[in-house]
Amino acid sequence: GAVVSQHPSRVICKSGTSVKIECRSLDFQATTMFWYRQFPKQSLMLMATSNEGSKATYEQGVEKDKFLINHASLTLSTLTVTSAHPEDSSFYICSAVQGSSEAFFGQGTRLTVV
Amino acid sequence: ELKVEQNPLFLSMQEGKNYTIYCNYSTTSDRLYWYRQDPGKSLESLFVLLSNGAVKQEGRLMASLDTKARLSTLHITAAVHDLSATYFCAGINNNDMRFGAGTRLTVKP
Repeated sequence: GAVVSQHPSRVICKSGTSVKIECRSLDFQATTMFWYRQFPKQSLMLMATSNEGSKATYEQGVEKDKFLINHASLTLSTLTVTSAHPEDSSFYICSAVQGSSEAFFGQGTRLTVV
Repeated sequence: ELKVEQNPLFLSMQEGKNYTIYCNYSTTSDRLYWYRQDPGKSLESLFVLLSNGAVKQEGRLMASLDTKARLSTLHITAAVHDLSATYFCAGINNNDMRFGAGTRLTVKP
């Protein structure tokens, strides 16, 4: 299947700093990318949907100023967690879809804010 | 908004037994997905079901879709320990992808 590369896989940062997570579709052009957050032993919670060249659509309750999403090209979307706090510690996963085909997931990023 | 309900949430099975995980969704879903997640890992795609009556099988897992009932099932045949994981179904409608709560499957000897 298609490959979606998410980087970094793990990151530890200090409270108050910002962290950028990259999601790349390596062998296809992703018309839509999704960003999810997953707490331990829970399901994936959709944070936002991003389409190339347009502003991301955020889910209710997700602060767009805190979780900045940029989908600058058909192969790259980034999620920046700004002014991170310990409660932002979580597993973040991106997925990419090409047209009406299936969704492919990145490897996930485990963020720990200390 | 598409809502996806999955049950059971926890499933403890003995090796060799059969069982079914159910996935109901609330509105039209363009596609229905099944994923597997191992602890600390991301999601591994198992099946994509595109149309009513679709049935797909891979090894001991078989997935089906009934769009009229808005129901998909994941059937496990003769479970083995390697199948222990969390299984998620997900639907997508107008580029809005939603997940079920997940079924944590434990296969015991």
